[in-house]
Amino acid sequence: EDQVTQSPEALRLQEGESSSLNCSYTVSGLRGLFWYRQDPGKGPEFLFTLYSAGEEKEKERLKATLTKKESFLHITAPKPEDSATYLCAVQNYGGSQGNLIFGKGTKLSVKP
Amino acid sequence: DGGITQSPKYLFRKEGQNVTLSCEQNLNHDAMYWYRQDPGQGLRLIYYSQIVNDFQKGDIAEGYSVSREKKESFPLTVTSAQKNPTAFYLCASKEARGEAFFGQGTRLTVV
Repeated sequence: EDQVTQSPEALRLQEGESSSLNCSYTVSGLRGLFWYRQDPGKGPEFLFTLYSAGEEKEKERLKATLTKKESFLHITAPKPEDSATYLCAVQNYGGSQGNLIFGKGTKLSVKP
Repeated sequence: DGGITQSPKYLFRKEGQNVTLSCEQNLNHDAMYWYRQDPGQGLRLIYYSQIVNDFQKGDIAEGYSVSREKKESFPLTVTSAQKNPTAFYLCASKEARGEAFFGQGTRLTVV
């Protein structure tokens, strides 16, 4: 069964304290892995797409990486405005075409 | 501005009442989706549609219904058969290979 597991469930950082969020996945064939940011009471906002192992994407203080079993979202020198829930999702070649399988998210809190 | 519009932002349902959540997109995407989000549960797929006049049940379709008469629109009806409808509902659209774009959500509460 296709599955996405995110860890930790919650992460509290001090401003400037770098860390990483993990997304482990099990799919029959990975078509793409997606990272989203979600603020309370709002819809998820797209961050990155990764398609193959070894691929990396960067945007400001965020960097996403991908291996054959997991993806990491690295946050360098975070600021309070980076506080949000970060969601990971995968799309596979099997099953219903185009559908995404989501993890439960990591809630990040950055204190000044 | 291209995007997805969900309405209303907040919705209150009385016991035994059907309510309809609106979702409109102007991204020209073929596929549209409805998700339900509960605390600690992540996003769960209710219904999806890959093309006009066709839709499929997701993982938690019981108590919900949809229609896809136009490419731009994918309304979700929460029927009285849904026993626990209080949740945050998200609509999304995407191309076959690519990221999904989400609306801002509708928070439904049973009163």
